[in-house]
Amino acid sequence: DAKTTQPTSMDCAEGRAANLPCNHSTISGNEYVYWYRQIHSQGPQYIIHGLKNNETNEMASLIITEDRKSSTLILPHATLRDTAVYYCIVRGGGSNYKLTFGKGTLLTVNP
Amino acid sequence: DADVTQTPRNRITKTGKRIMLECSQTKGHDRMYWYRQDPGLGLRLIYYSFDVKDINKGEISDGYSVSRQAQAKFSLSLESAIPNQTALYFCATSETGGSADTQYFGPGTRLTVL
Repeated sequence: DAKTTQPTSMDCAEGRAANLPCNHSTISGNEYVYWYRQIHSQGPQYIIHGLKNNETNEMASLIITEDRKSSTLILPHATLRDTAVYYCIVRGGGSNYKLTFGKGTLLTVNP
Repeated sequence: DADVTQTPRNRITKTGKRIMLECSQTKGHDRMYWYRQDPGLGLRLIYYSFDVKDINKGEISDGYSVSRQAQAKFSLSLESAIPNQTALYFCATSETGGSADTQYFGPGTRLTVL
């Protein structure tokens, strides 16, 4: 699976959009971009995933560049409860089950 | 995710004891996984099972064993616990099929081996 690079930490003001970047320059054509988050030792929580197109769900939006070498997770209106470590993971589809969690980005939402 | 439960949530035990961690899911998924997480590190895969009759070793299976008692239940055992098995343990499930295989995690078990 392709390696990802994320900033170690970011801050965001409550109520503002949080934009979390991820670089995955070695991504292959059949690899998906997944985002999970982990709130202080709780189980990782699935947020969103995508292959080529931008995706949106009730939690967030995922913007993938046209060359697929980077992506951005957007939390449109961050709250204090969004403070967590956010993991960007690139993984093959189909039978490739393995999720490789790196160090992620610690997002701190400030009042 | 409330659909994936783990018991116990916390456990303190002594070196050499046998420990079983249990995972149950009501999501109807056929795939189940066990991960461990150490402070400052990402999750590492211990074992995974794609159905009741299928068990596979992950990255770090030494010192662990598993049992898939039913589609909804997947247990992890430490036959003789040692201190470096102190960690957070997470169970996850996913559904076979489709082009992307999203895993959903339980709340975790914090295990301390003295």
